[in-house]
Amino acid sequence: GEDVEQSLFLSVREGDSSVINCTYTDSSSTYLYWYKQEPGAGLQLLTYIFSNMDMKQDQRLTVLLNKKDKHLSLRIADTQTGDSAIYFCAEGGEAGGTSYGKLTFGQGTILTVHP
Amino acid sequence: DGGITQSPKYLFRKEGQNVTLSCEQNLNHDAMYWYRQDPGQGLRLIYYSQIVNDFQKGDIAEGYSVSREKKESFPLTVTSAQKNPTAFYLCASSLDVVAYEQYFGPGTRLTVT
Repeated sequence: GEDVEQSLFLSVREGDSSVINCTYTDSSSTYLYWYKQEPGAGLQLLTYIFSNMDMKQDQRLTVLLNKKDKHLSLRIADTQTGDSAIYFCAEGGEAGGTSYGKLTFGQGTILTVHP
Repeated sequence: DGGITQSPKYLFRKEGQNVTLSCEQNLNHDAMYWYRQDPGQGLRLIYYSQIVNDFQKGDIAEGYSVSREKKESFPLTVTSAQKNPTAFYLCASSLDVVAYEQYFGPGTRLTVT
């Protein structure tokens, strides 16, 4: 089945850039997502990328996709203490496939931003 | 304000009791989902529903049941057959199963002792 892997922890200083990495196994993934979860709360969609793109930029967020290596990354520029949260990578299945309409999530990366 | 509500935020039950978690949305979304979150693990899909009166099992449906009698509501029952029910439960919805964005509720933390 599909599998999505992330490193569990990342610690950065305020003002630095953060890079959160993710690998996935399903080569038929249509969409790849980054969600943010603050303590005790639900998930908030930060950004997504279609599998036919290799980069997407949205203000401080840059998503890079290497489809050949099945590697996705999220870069947060000028990281702030308010960015401290858990970040989940997720992949969505191909239309018509058995996983269509379902998301497979990674374990989440806990980002800690130090002042 | 449009959104998804889950209640209660915290729920405590004794082992052997069934418990129902509420999920309501006023976004006029067709598709709704239930996920379970455990520490150090990603979200795992329990059940999802594409339309009223229809639902499908996700990856970990055993010990859970759902109903979808109204578009706005997708309650999840955690039965006594669920071996490890203590977890954080998240409900989500999307415009339809094709839509790429799922909107999440605030979650319910269930503790069973």
